[in-house]
Amino acid sequence: GAGVSQSPSNKVTEKGKDVELRCDPISGHTALYWYRQSLGQGLEFLIYFQGNSAPDKSGLPSDRFSAERTGGSVSTLTIQRTQQEDSAVYLCASSPRTSGGTDTQYFGPGTRLTVL
Amino acid sequence: GENVEQHPSTLSVQEGDSAVIKCTYSDSASNYFPWYKQELGKRPQLIIDIRSNVGEKKDQRIAVTLNKTAKHFSLHITETQPEDSAVYFCAAKGGGSYIPTFGRGTSLIVHP
Repeated sequence: GAGVSQSPSNKVTEKGKDVELRCDPISGHTALYWYRQSLGQGLEFLIYFQGNSAPDKSGLPSDRFSAERTGGSVSTLTIQRTQQEDSAVYLCASSPRTSGGTDTQYFGPGTRLTVL
Repeated sequence: GENVEQHPSTLSVQEGDSAVIKCTYSDSASNYFPWYKQELGKRPQLIIDIRSNVGEKKDQRIAVTLNKTAKHFSLHITETQPEDSAVYFCAAKGGGSYIPTFGRGTSLIVHP
């Protein structure tokens, strides 16, 4: 079946502009995660959505970052007033959230954001 | 919160050798430990995982071991091949949490 998809695959923007990154999770997956991966670095957690529950925003680095998930499916990560340090690959992952909390995460291909 | 340390950051081996990557975690309540492989320019993909009720799991040339007492787990790759070259990430997920904490990754290079 179709995996997690993200768009755009690449985004180049100027400092100070706003950007929106989109994630389409696997159909039926109730959990959705956003991560940031800087060059040569690990996966930095940003935000977690589970069904209709309030999202866990504990990883968002500043109030310029926000995300929403409409209808429990598609998610959009918005970065306002982008800065050069926001340049990174933004990865989305979804999981089916089985009981016991031992879910496998399925990652999208990522959006490479470059802020000039 | 959970803290995961991963070593080494870079590992270079000859084709056919074994490779071992080690991770330690801090939260004794963690109960799920996945390993992901990320090839250059591609998405991370789960290669193997282990839950806290077992000590070892194998899948062909890869295996993962877990020592709950010492709070560390390791990835073992035998008979390495050039296509094993990638960045490998470990992660730990605490009991009651749905957000895994990732290690910083190990870049494995297998020389033919």
